Amino acid sequence: GESVGLHLPTLSVQEGDNSIINCAYSNSASDYFIWYKQESGKGPQFIIDIRSNMDKRQGQRVTVLLNKTVKHLSLQIAATQPGDSAVYFCAETVTGTASKLTFGTGTRLQVTL
Amino acid sequence: NAGVTQTPKFQVLKTGQSMTLQCAQDMNHEYMSWYRQDPGMGLRLIHYSVGAGITDQGEVPNGYNVSRSTTEDFPLRLLSAAPSQTSVYFCASSYGGLQNIQYFGAGTRLSVL
Repeated sequence: GESVGLHLPTLSVQEGDNSIINCAYSNSASDYFIWYKQESGKGPQFIIDIRSNMDKRQGQRVTVLLNKTVKHLSLQIAATQPGDSAVYFCAETVTGTASKLTFGTGTRLQVTL
Repeated sequence: NAGVTQTPKFQVLKTGQSMTLQCAQDMNHEYMSWYRQDPGMGLRLIHYSVGAGITDQGEVPNGYNVSRSTTEDFPLRLLSAAPSQTSVYFCASSYGGLQNIQYFGAGTRLSVL
């Protein structure tokens, strides 16, 4: 697959442990946030989203936390599996600005056995 | 269930050549976007469209043209390729509105020599 981010921050986690991936966003007006997962050679895949009127949202094995005061998002993955190895991106947007997502630089998650 | 389809998957161009990257979606999405992804960086928005006949510039539009004659298709044209346009290009589509989850194609890896 292609090189997606040669100098990305990397998080190494043992299989079965919980992972926490952090993201600082830039625009205080942003009110909608999305986490994407990108595997090697593939396009980004939607994981979970959250609106700014919430501070926590849970999905299957994933939880997103939003702290608007410090403009910070985190993605928590429970019981991390080898298939979770990928690059994770947060994206922010302002409702009503069409398709204008702004992406973070990404974090590479490596799951060790 | 095709989703977002991009062609070609790989392309090598010489400086000054022109080409069109194709993107088609079968989900009847109104919004479509083009992004480029460079090593160490997140995805950056090139151009986007909120419906047939309507396009607008994103963060890095120079050197690229788009048109949207149908809901399904959103081609990206490189007018005169430059080495700085070597990148991986992703097309995305979404319904728009409050939950603007974008669905991505698998990407086109472009090298300009």
